[in-house]
Amino acid sequence: GQSLEQPSEVTAVEGAIVQINCTYQTSGFYGLSWYQQHDGGAPTFLSYNGLDGLEETGRFSSFLSRSDSYGYLLLQELQMKDSASYFCAVNRGSNYQLIWGAGTKLIIKP
Amino acid sequence: DVKVTQSSRYLVKRTGEKVFLECVQDMDHENMFWYRQDPGLGLRLIYFSYDVKMKEKGDIPEGYSVSREKKERFSLILESASTNQTSMYLCASSSPGLAGYNEQFFGPGTRLTVL
Repeated sequence: GQSLEQPSEVTAVEGAIVQINCTYQTSGFYGLSWYQQHDGGAPTFLSYNGLDGLEETGRFSSFLSRSDSYGYLLLQELQMKDSASYFCAVNRGSNYQLIWGAGTKLIIKP
Repeated sequence: DVKVTQSSRYLVKRTGEKVFLECVQDMDHENMFWYRQDPGLGLRLIYFSYDVKMKEKGDIPEGYSVSREKKERFSLILESASTNQTSMYLCASSSPGLAGYNEQFFGPGTRLTVL
């Protein structure tokens, strides 16, 4: 089958660093994306990794290891507004369909 | 500012009713998607369209159909609503880009309750 595994919940302190892991098992793989969704809101795109390595966008970074079928999202200098759910998603083919993880709820404490 | 809009934020229907959910995007995107989102299950793809009048089944198409008569509009139809179709429905659009890169833009969602 096809699946993405990520922790259901992560708790961190404001100002700290947190890493959200994602392991995947899919029949095709063209890249790993990360989306953020605040409660009651729509998912919004954060980052994409098509090749192995680290991609950095401000306080957020994303990493991919295709040989390990593994990636992570790293959030630095956590702010209360980062409290949200974070989803990893795999593009499994040329038709642009994504398969999604169940999401990780990030709880930030002051 | 890119925008995807959905016809309703909240909808309450009765079992057996035919339900139409509409989605409109103003970005001239080729691809449009319908997902349902349930707690603990993430987003599951119902149907996908890559061009006008073209559609592909996603992972959970049973009980649903779609229509795309114009590029900007993608409709989801529940032929006979059932209580297990109570969910949040999300529409998204994207434009073909580099292989693998597929940033999807989402609408605000429609929370459908079937009684």
